[in-house]
Amino acid sequence: GAVVSQHPSWVICKSGTSVKIECRSLDFQATTMFWYRQFPKQSLMLMATSNEGSKATYEQGVEKDKFLINHASLTLSTLTVTSAHPEDSSFYICSASRASGGYEQFFGPGTRLTVL
Amino acid sequence: TQLLEQSPQFLSIQEGENLTVYCNSSSVFSSLQWYRQEPGEGPVLLVTVVTGGEVKKLKRLTFQFGDARKDSSLHITAAQPGDTGLYLCAGIYNFNKFYFGSGTKLNVKP
Repeated sequence: GAVVSQHPSWVICKSGTSVKIECRSLDFQATTMFWYRQFPKQSLMLMATSNEGSKATYEQGVEKDKFLINHASLTLSTLTVTSAHPEDSSFYICSASRASGGYEQFFGPGTRLTVL
Repeated sequence: TQLLEQSPQFLSIQEGENLTVYCNSSSVFSSLQWYRQEPGEGPVLLVTVVTGGEVKKLKRLTFQFGDARKDSSLHITAAQPGDTGLYLCAGIYNFNKFYFGSGTKLNVKP
């Protein structure tokens, strides 16, 4: 159990368009989901923490109007990159923690975003 | 600014050698985790350490949590090509916030 999926797995878009990435917990309820960004050969950087039914908490330096996060249910969170630019090209990874708590985060397989 | 610094950043060794990766911070963690990540995939959890001074073993991998819960190490004995990957430590603050270390890219040559 504890599988997290992301869709799409990769996306290529033109500069100025918006892209939505979905993160789903397939077999458990996730009260909290996390969004990370990972540039090539670098570590994961936490972008925001998303709790079901409430506004996301963004890390310092992350523009909340550019990276829109919606956590409408206990199994789905979405990240929308608005007006994407080439510098937004990255590997976006989500993770989810169980409603029952605990330290473990279950990671999705990631979404590769390339903005032309 | 990286809250957790890992060293070394890159490591290339021959099969059969031993290695140690370090994860350090000036902050105290609620707990700490180690992950391994393959290219193009999400990280996979290896271990969680909670108690200061704790040592956990996972086959050829030994994880240690510092007494002050500010640092940790990962030791691999007799490394194999299948151990190749990006190793990440993640410090957990206030029991719910995860921050990843800078990462150590390991390459084990056959």
